[in-house]
Order: sequence, then structure tokens, then C-alpha cells
Amino acid sequence: DVVMTQSPLSLPVTLGQPASISCRSSQSLVYSDGNTYLNWFQQRPGQSPRRLIYKVSNRDSGVPDRFSGSGSGTDFTLKITRVEAEDVGVYYCMQGTHWPYSFGQGTKLEIK
Amino acid sequence: QVHLVESGGGLVKPGGSLRLSCGASGFTFSDFYMSWIRQPPGKGLEWVSYISSSSNYADYADSVKGRFTISRDNAKNSLYLQMNSLRAEDAAVYYCVRASREIDYWGQGTLVTVSS
Repeated sequence: DVVMTQSPLSLPVTLGQPASISCRSSQSLVYSDGNTYLNWFQQRPGQSPRRLIYKVSNRDSGVPDRFSGSGSGTDFTLKITRVEAEDVGVYYCMQGTHWPYSFGQGTKLEIK
Repeated sequence: QVHLVESGGGLVKPGGSLRLSCGASGFTFSDFYMSWIRQPPGKGLEWVSYISSSSNYADYADSVKGRFTISRDNAKNSLYLQMNSLRAEDAAVYYCVRASREIDYWGQGTLVTVSS
């Protein structure tokens, strides 16, 4: 099974400062159709997760452009250019290339 | 607007059974793969099972294989998860999601508690 490893697991950030979360997979996430099925989700306290990024770098509708995704193969990154108060929550990466699909452990972003 | 509404959660004894349901609206249900994902209280996310649009394909996490059965009724726009032989470690919020390889919509979740 593919193991997704996120770092850091805890991310205290000052408002207005950038933040970055790393996600590494134990196998390449390039699928036979040429796509890389790596998603990023945000889960605010008490809410269901919400997708931010799909296929590595595509931002979902309504997601602020301060969020961006990058990477390839086994190494991926979610970046927030300027953290706002509403960004507090847990961020998960998820791979949909190899069954069973799997999530990272989650990174808890808090305001310093 | 896509809506996914889960129901059927509750308290069940170890070894017991429970059937979760998910009602879908706002999209052509029969066109999409659907899945169940769970989250134990205070913990991370685990993909439990998926089912293809016409029910031809389904698969399960090893942790539930042989105990859980996913199904759907496209005429009723509904997804189901039959959970048997429940264990303490199955306690979680269960989310219905629209997903094959990528999840684009989540329900609000239904809580399953397994305790004697």
C-alpha cells in the first residue's frame, strides 16, 4: 500500500506569513493515463474536509489564489502565500493513483 | 448544487451491524463513482470503499473487507454501507463522498459509535 507522509504535522504561522506543507508518497503517483492523482484537502474545525487542489496543482473553484500546489512523482507541496485566520485547520494530502487510496496524517495549521 | 446527506449512524455493540445511507442530489447520481471515507474522533482519514457508477466494480480497505458491503440504488439516488461484525476500531464519522480517484464533494458525515 502507498504510504503518504506529511511534514510538518504541526505548523504555527504568524498571520500574513507564508506556509508550506510537504507530502511524500512511498511510490510514484503517476497513473497509466499520465495523470498524477494527488489532492489537497482542508478541514476546518467541526467541518467536513474540502478539496483545495486536484491533480497536483489545479485549484478548485472558490479557493483563494494564495493556495498553490506543486510537485511530481513522489514529492508534493502545498503553499499558502499569506496565511489568514480562516486558514486554521488540518490539511491532508491524498493519493488516488493506487488502491487503496490513502491520506497523509494531516498537518495542523494554527496561528502563532 | 451537490448535496450528500448521510444517515444511519448511532451506537452499536461490538459484533453488531449497522446500515448507513447517503442521499444524493444536485447531480446525475448514476454517472458517478461514489465512496465512503471514515474519520475516527480526533484522528485522520481512511478510505473505506468505493463503488462504480453502475455497481460493476467495488473494492474495500483491508480493514473492512469481508465485513462491510457497499451498494447503491441509482433509481433512488442513494448510496449504502452495510457494516457487520463491528469492532471498536470501526468507530468513526463516516463520510459519503462523490469520488473515483478524486473526491470533489463530501457529505456532513454520520457518527458510528461501537461500545458495549
